[in-house]
Amino acid sequence: EAGVTQFPSHSVIEKGQTVTLRCDPISGHDNLYWYRRVMGKEIKFLLHFVKESKQDESGMPNNRFLAERTGGTYSTLKVQPAELEDSGVYFCASSATFSSGNTIYFGEGSWLTVV
Amino acid sequence: KNQVEQSPQSLIILEGKNCTLQCNYTVSPFSNLRWYKQDTGRGPVSLTIMTFSENTKSNGRYTATLDADTKQSSLHITASQLSDSASYICVVSAGGYQKVTFGTGTKLQVIP
Repeated sequence: EAGVTQFPSHSVIEKGQTVTLRCDPISGHDNLYWYRRVMGKEIKFLLHFVKESKQDESGMPNNRFLAERTGGTYSTLKVQPAELEDSGVYFCASSATFSSGNTIYFGEGSWLTVV
Repeated sequence: KNQVEQSPQSLIILEGKNCTLQCNYTVSPFSNLRWYKQDTGRGPVSLTIMTFSENTKSNGRYTATLDADTKQSSLHITASQLSDSASYICVVSAGGYQKVTFGTGTKLQVIP
């Protein structure tokens, strides 16, 4: 069974440009999460989809970030325009349910560098 | 404010030795606590999940404990191997829908 896959694995863009990160969750997982780790800090929650609906987007830093999950399958996270402080690793994760004891599976991350 | 603090920040141990990593949290209302292993350049991989009613959970050489009264957890690694070298992250969920707070992790290095 394929795990959570993310694309691209690495991206270097200039300040002001746009980048779109993609996440394919494990097939059948209704719950999809985006997280971010900036340099030297802990991983932080960005948002949570249940199927195509945004269950919780309280962690989104500002309106330059837009997440979508059309059709409840894969998700995209767009940063427009990118700023230097957006550099970091963006992790996507998925789970079958949101019950307390379920396993959340992480992707390998998309490493973003804004120069 | 929900917080998760881990100690030590980093640790070096000899292969074959045991070690214990600590996690203190102030997340409320508590839902569950997870330990993840993250190899350099990779995504986190789940080791254990504990809910309020569980106070110990094992996964091979990894044993996690939870004291919900003192809001502390520990991850004990037995007979360490070189492949255990990684960051170990404590993650605590509050309420429903998996709203989580991550610790900064403990970086473990196992040397021959």
